[in-house]
Amino acid sequence: SQKIEQNSEALNIQEGKTATLTCNYTNYSPAYLQWYRQDPGRGPVFLLLIRENEKEKRKERLKVTFDTTLKQSLFHITASQPADSATYLCAGGDTGRRALTFGSGTRLQVQP
Amino acid sequence: GAGVSQSPSNKVTEKGKDVELRCDPISGHTALYWYRQRLGQGLEFLIYFQGNSAPDKSGLPSDRFSAERTGESVSTLTIQRTQQEDSAVYLCASSLQGQSEETQYFGPGTRLLVL
Repeated sequence: SQKIEQNSEALNIQEGKTATLTCNYTNYSPAYLQWYRQDPGRGPVFLLLIRENEKEKRKERLKVTFDTTLKQSLFHITASQPADSATYLCAGGDTGRRALTFGSGTRLQVQP
Repeated sequence: GAGVSQSPSNKVTEKGKDVELRCDPISGHTALYWYRQRLGQGLEFLIYFQGNSAPDKSGLPSDRFSAERTGESVSTLTIQRTQQEDSAVYLCASSLQGQSEETQYFGPGTRLLVL
């Protein structure tokens, strides 16, 4: 079955460093990937979308890449801040099916 | 207007009871989605409504689960004869037209605990 996999171990980094989160997909060729942020007790909030024909997308301190050869997306937060601490979810989408396939998320902890 | 709202925010029930979870989407959004999130896991698609089209029920895990939507407004997810494995956060999302690539706006979820 189609799967989106994210590192389940928490990522701990120092404030000011760049955080890099990984999303891999198997048995699947998503037409696009979306990244969401989820804080404890809240619903996910959309951050960025990248299409399969796009190599890289940027938005402020966020950068996401899409490598169809490696079947992987990388999500970067530069100049990280403690307020960036949250769980980040990767989700794959198709043109035909409206529901997204989500990974289990990676928890990021930015230490001051 | 306001974002997606869900009620109740928490629900504790006994095994075998039925529960109803409610979702109010963003006004004007024609597409509505239900997802389930078990502890430490990703979101699992349950059902999708788009306008007057037949809903996509392909994610419902068993016939104990059903959902309805009144026009383009409120939706209710019903779980009959609840089991302990139904314990999870149930998230509702809406999007403007249900088009591919559209941002989904999520509610805060209903935390269901089945004892």
